[in-house]
Amino acid sequence: GAGVSQTPSNKVTEKGKYVELRCDPISGHTALYWYRQSLGQGPEFLIYFQGTGAADDSGLPNDRFFAVRPEGSVSTLKIQRTERGDSAMYLCASSLLGRASGSYNEQFFGPGTRLTVL
Amino acid sequence: GNSVTQMEGPVTLSEEAFLTINCTYTATGYPSLFWYVQYPGEGLQLLLKATKADDKGSNKGFEATYRKETTSFHLEKGSVQVSDSAVYFCALIQKSSGDKLTFGTGTRLAVRP
Repeated sequence: GAGVSQTPSNKVTEKGKYVELRCDPISGHTALYWYRQSLGQGPEFLIYFQGTGAADDSGLPNDRFFAVRPEGSVSTLKIQRTERGDSAMYLCASSLLGRASGSYNEQFFGPGTRLTVL
Repeated sequence: GNSVTQMEGPVTLSEEAFLTINCTYTATGYPSLFWYVQYPGEGLQLLLKATKADDKGSNKGFEATYRKETTSFHLEKGSVQVSDSAVYFCALIQKSSGDKLTFGTGTRLAVRP
């Protein structure tokens, strides 16, 4: 079956521009996560959705970052006024139930979007 | 806060050699522990997990034991193959912190034929 997909796979933009990164989770997965992975580092949590709502956005670095999941499936991570420090691999993951299950549900990761801000 | 420390790479081994990648963690309470693997050009995949002290996770010949006394979760494999070449990430989840995974920095493994 289809896994988590992310588009685009690569995005190059100029400093100050706006970008949108898209994530298509596994069908039926209610929980969706965004992580950011800088070069040579492990992924760092950004935001977690349970259904349509952001249940935990404590990892968003500042108010230039915003994410939505309006219908509880596809999610878009939006970055305004991009800075060179935003350059990283942005990973999306989904799980069947997330926190709602009361126990750990495996997170399945997409291939990521590599963002480069010039 | 929670943190994961794993040995720096790259680790270069010959085929059939024994592998150990060290991982230690800092967390309050009782986290669940994981090893994820990232093969070249692919997304992160769960390799194995352990949810309580003394549990041993195993998969594809890899093993790791949850040691609460040493706060460790070292990854081992008795005989590595070229196809094991990848980046390995140790990670934890703590229920009190929700479902967010906390990852180590990753260890690159290169296996020579």
